[in-house]
Amino acid sequence: IAGITQAPTSQILAAGRRMTLRCTQDMRHNAMYWYRQDLGLGLRLIHYSNTAGTTGKGEVPDGYSVSRANTDDFPLTLASAVPSQTSVYFCASSDGNRRSPLHFGNGTRLTVT
Amino acid sequence: DAKTTQPPSMDCAEGRAANLPCNHSTISGNEYVYWYRQIHSQGPQYIIHGLKNNETNEMASLIITEDRKSSTLILPHATLRDTAVYYCIVRVAGANSKLTFGKGITLSVRP
Repeated sequence: IAGITQAPTSQILAAGRRMTLRCTQDMRHNAMYWYRQDLGLGLRLIHYSNTAGTTGKGEVPDGYSVSRANTDDFPLTLASAVPSQTSVYFCASSDGNRRSPLHFGNGTRLTVT
Repeated sequence: DAKTTQPPSMDCAEGRAANLPCNHSTISGNEYVYWYRQIHSQGPQYIIHGLKNNETNEMASLIITEDRKSSTLILPHATLRDTAVYYCIVRVAGANSKLTFGKGITLSVRP
């Protein structure tokens, strides 16, 4: 089934540890995005990538890094996790046309202790 | 990005039409209005989008005012499964433009 796959589904992580959230899409979409969602704050964009090989900063990029080595994969890395990064993380993609909707994964629930 | 304003919540009775309002008074001429929804614990789901004409698909209808400063999402026959947070978003013009989500409106469909 075509779509976006995120892994892991959930994770408990000790503060200071490094963590990579995985995101893979099989729709050959050019653009990919990472959002975090926190209660009362809605969805906030962390990083995005318009096409393989390029990335950009969103609204809340600090403490996160991304890479886009190919079209399908867009991993999000927390180099040294802190409790404020406890959140639900959603990956999304679109084919790049400005009218095209975003397709979202089912999220990764991360708890940093 | 043009900012959108939505009331925090509303409810409607099952089987009735749900009309969800959104204000986007600073929208630019080449910006589209998008609606997404998020059911608890799931990723956001695309519903519909439009530029200036009214749009309809299998999920909903989108009514955009002539001046484009506001819009209404209509779920013609709401069901309990339509209970969700609905986000009205205006997309910045240009290819690969990112979406900025606000806090959305929580729709509660009551039996």
